[in-house]
Amino acid sequence: EPEVTQTPSHQVTQMGQEVILRCVPISNHLYFYWYRQILGQKVEFLVSFYNNEISEKSEIFDDQFSVERPDGSNFTLKIRSTKLEDSAMYFCASSTEHGQPQHFGDGTRLSIL
Amino acid sequence: GIQVEQSPPDLILQEGANSTLRCNFSDSVNNLQWFHQNPWGQLINLFYIPSGTKQNGRLSATTVATERYSLLYISSSQTTDSGVYFCAMKGYGGSQGNLIFGKGTKLSVKP
Repeated sequence: EPEVTQTPSHQVTQMGQEVILRCVPISNHLYFYWYRQILGQKVEFLVSFYNNEISEKSEIFDDQFSVERPDGSNFTLKIRSTKLEDSAMYFCASSTEHGQPQHFGDGTRLSIL
Repeated sequence: GIQVEQSPPDLILQEGANSTLRCNFSDSVNNLQWFHQNPWGQLINLFYIPSGTKQNGRLSATTVATERYSLLYISSSQTTDSGVYFCAMKGYGGSQGNLIFGKGTKLSVKP
């Protein structure tokens, strides 16, 4: 069964540095998402992406964040000038269309020191 | 936006017992999914069930959309069933597709 793959599985970064989290969505999916889960809390939506542009973003997704689909397979989340509170698990997901099931990757655990 | 409530928040079971987890929601949905988050943090997709009933082995789920709730049944529980179970959904209006997650039910199955 096709899977969403995320790299790295764990990223440790100094506060103030930039990080790029990478995702390879399922190949025939057209909608891509990033979610975040702070330790012990629920999963929160960050941003959705379709047709090479952001279709929706949450209040969490401020100017510190950006997403990109640099080629036909990768989908990236960039966090500039990281803060301690950015420490969380970041999940990428994809779906064929809205209303269809979203398939999640295994997540990237981001630790900001 | 849509409100999602899960109950109970915590559940401790003896291996072999059955359980029912509940998810209530405040509006009509066109996507409802159940996930199991294992101790390593992975979100495992259990069911896509905006309405009706589905079964997969020892797990089954039912969504009654008109009454705005969904149930996840776990039969003959095993220690590997431990973890957090989330329901997540998307309403018809407004958002372009993002899922709203509940706070989860933390299940601990004791040997």
